[in-house]
Amino acid sequence: DTGVSQDPRHKITKRGQNVTFRCDPISEHNRLYWYRQTLGQGPEFLTYFQNEAQLEKSRLLSDRFSAERPKGSFSTLEIQRTEQGDSAMYLCASSFENSDGYTFGSGTRLTVV
Amino acid sequence: SQQGEEDPQALSIQEGENATMNCSYKTSINNLQWYRQNSGRGLVHLILIRSNEREKHSGRLRVTLDTSKKSSSLLITASRAADTASYFCATDAGNMLTFGGGTRLMVKP
Repeated sequence: DTGVSQDPRHKITKRGQNVTFRCDPISEHNRLYWYRQTLGQGPEFLTYFQNEAQLEKSRLLSDRFSAERPKGSFSTLEIQRTEQGDSAMYLCASSFENSDGYTFGSGTRLTVV
Repeated sequence: SQQGEEDPQALSIQEGENATMNCSYKTSINNLQWYRQNSGRGLVHLILIRSNEREKHSGRLRVTLDTSKKSSSLLITASRAADTASYFCATDAGNMLTFGGGTRLMVKP
């Protein structure tokens, strides 16, 4: 297990299309986080899971966004009817409950044209 | 929304000089962490300081934390061109990390 993996690394899509990203966390970690980062800004929290339960969602996560972690392992983040404002880097991180350490993936860069 | 602010937003220094970045935050925290991000890449964890600690060192990195002022600083000593990156502080209040806006550091050879 070499860390947090995200797929794809890059995605270009037309406005109005749906996109789905995948995150594979470190296997021992029971917490999984999604962040969004726009150019020149720090990452902004979107949502997190503990095992398969989605425990918190940011107001940034509009109705067009949905995240799942069906078996408490990998997670998917889907954006429906993409808009140009969705263009950003989507970062996934994992951690173990009651541990300080977070490990981030390399991110998925989404460009909506 | 972002927890805090980082200062300066951008910093340009010569190789060999020291770089100091500051971070302020708003709420109580369990710990504060610093991350580095090269352009277009993911975040790399640098150092963590707990709320009951005041100073921590790791190699060329020195972090201080002042919980009474809700502020932290990251010092990189003897900087190298390879240190060129964005640096983010992130506070952990128990459930998630909340990031600042970052400092973009450029180290000129």
